[in-house]
Amino acid sequence: EDQVTQSPEALRLQEGESSSLNCSYTVSGLRGLFWYRQDPGKGPEFLFTLYSAGEEKEKERLKATLTKKESFLHITAPKPEDSATYLCAVTSGTYKYIFGTGTRLKVLA
Amino acid sequence: DVKVTQSSRYLVKRTGEKVFLECVQDMDHENMFWYRQDPGLGLRLIYFSYDVKMKEKGDIPEGYSVSREKKERFSLILESASTNQTSMYLCASSQTRQGIHGYTFGSGTRLTVV
Repeated sequence: EDQVTQSPEALRLQEGESSSLNCSYTVSGLRGLFWYRQDPGKGPEFLFTLYSAGEEKEKERLKATLTKKESFLHITAPKPEDSATYLCAVTSGTYKYIFGTGTRLKVLA
Repeated sequence: DVKVTQSSRYLVKRTGEKVFLECVQDMDHENMFWYRQDPGLGLRLIYFSYDVKMKEKGDIPEGYSVSREKKERFSLILESASTNQTSMYLCASSQTRQGIHGYTFGSGTRLTVV
């Protein structure tokens, strides 16, 4: 069964304290892995798509990496405005995404 | 800036009412989706549409229906609202049916059924 597990469920960091969020997945024939950011009361905002193991993408303080079993979202020197829930999703190329339940990140000033 | 617009941010409806949630996208995307999001359960697909007047059931279609009369508009209908349909509803669109380039989501509608 296709599955996505994100860890930790919640993470509190001090401003400037780098860390990583994990997304472990099981899917038959990965066609894409996606990271989204979601602010409270709003819809998810697209961050990255990763297509194959070894791929990396960066955007400001965020860097996403992909292996055959998991993806990491590395946050370097986070700021309070990086506080959000980060969602991971995978697709095997059908219409269907499998979403994780997210990691709630809080960055303290 | 491309957008998916959901007509209401917050709605409160009574049990048994028929509820319409509207979604409009301006990206000329063929594919549109309705999800609900609940704490601890993540996002779950209700229905999707890959063309005008076409619809497909997702994982949890019971109690819902959809309408897509125009390419840019995708409506979710709760035929007879129940308290277990209290949730955050998210509309999304994608360029490809497979969505391998990612979805664009709307801001969501927080529906409370009392």
